[in-house]
Amino acid sequence: IAGITQAPTSQILAAGRRMTLRCTQDMRHNAMYWYRQDLGLGLRLIHYSNTAGTTGKGEVPDGYSVSRANTDDFPLTLASAVPSQTSVYFCASSVAFSYNEQFFGPGTRLTVL
Amino acid sequence: AQSVTQPDIHITVSEGASLELRCNYSYGATPYLFWYVQSPGQGLQLLLKYFSGDTLVQGIKGFEAEFKRSQSSFNLRKPSVHWSDAAEYFCAVGAAGGGADGLTFGKGTHLIIQP
Repeated sequence: IAGITQAPTSQILAAGRRMTLRCTQDMRHNAMYWYRQDLGLGLRLIHYSNTAGTTGKGEVPDGYSVSRANTDDFPLTLASAVPSQTSVYFCASSVAFSYNEQFFGPGTRLTVL
Repeated sequence: AQSVTQPDIHITVSEGASLELRCNYSYGATPYLFWYVQSPGQGLQLLLKYFSGDTLVQGIKGFEAEFKRSQSSFNLRKPSVHWSDAAEYFCAVGAAGGGADGLTFGKGTHLIIQP
C-alpha cells in the first residue's frame, strides 16, 4: 500500500541518548519533511528536503539532524536527546517542493526522560 | 512570513447539528490553503484544499470550505456532524510555489460531538 511509514511507533529514551526516527515513503515524492506536534502549539517544521541529497532547516531545527541519501528515506536523528524533545513526530512528503499538498505518516511518539 | 490562526481551541457540537470551524491566515500573496483532520493517535489526513478557482471547495467526508480573500479566512463547514467527526482539525497555509517554510499550521481545533 502506497504511503509513508514511520518507525518506531513509540519510544521511551533516556536523556543524553542518541535516537534515529525512521521515515520511508514509496510514492516517489521528491520533497520530505519532519514536524513535531506539541499540545497547544500545533505542528512545527523541524527540517525538510526538497530532493535527494539536499536538506534545509525549518522553524525548530536545534538538536536535530537529517539526511536524504535517496528518494525514499528521510531519517531524523537526535544526537543527544533532552526532555524538551518529548513530542509526537510526523514525517510528511509532497510530490515536489513547490507543491504544497503533503501526505503524513502515522507518527512516532517519543518520550525523553 | 505566513501565519494561521484558529480562534477556537475547543468546539462542542451536538450530533446532527451544523459545524463551522474558523481559520484566518496571514500571507502577502495568493495562499494555498488546507484543512487536515487528525483522529486520536493517528496521523493527519487531508480533508480539502484550495489552490485557485472556485472559492467554495468540497472535500471528503461531507466537508466544505470557503476561501474569502477580503476576510483572509478559510472556514470549514459541515451541514450535519456525525459522532465519527470528533477529532482535531488543523488549518494550514502554504506559499504559492512552495518554499522553505513548508506548510504553516494553526494550533488546531478540538471538535467534541455530543450525543
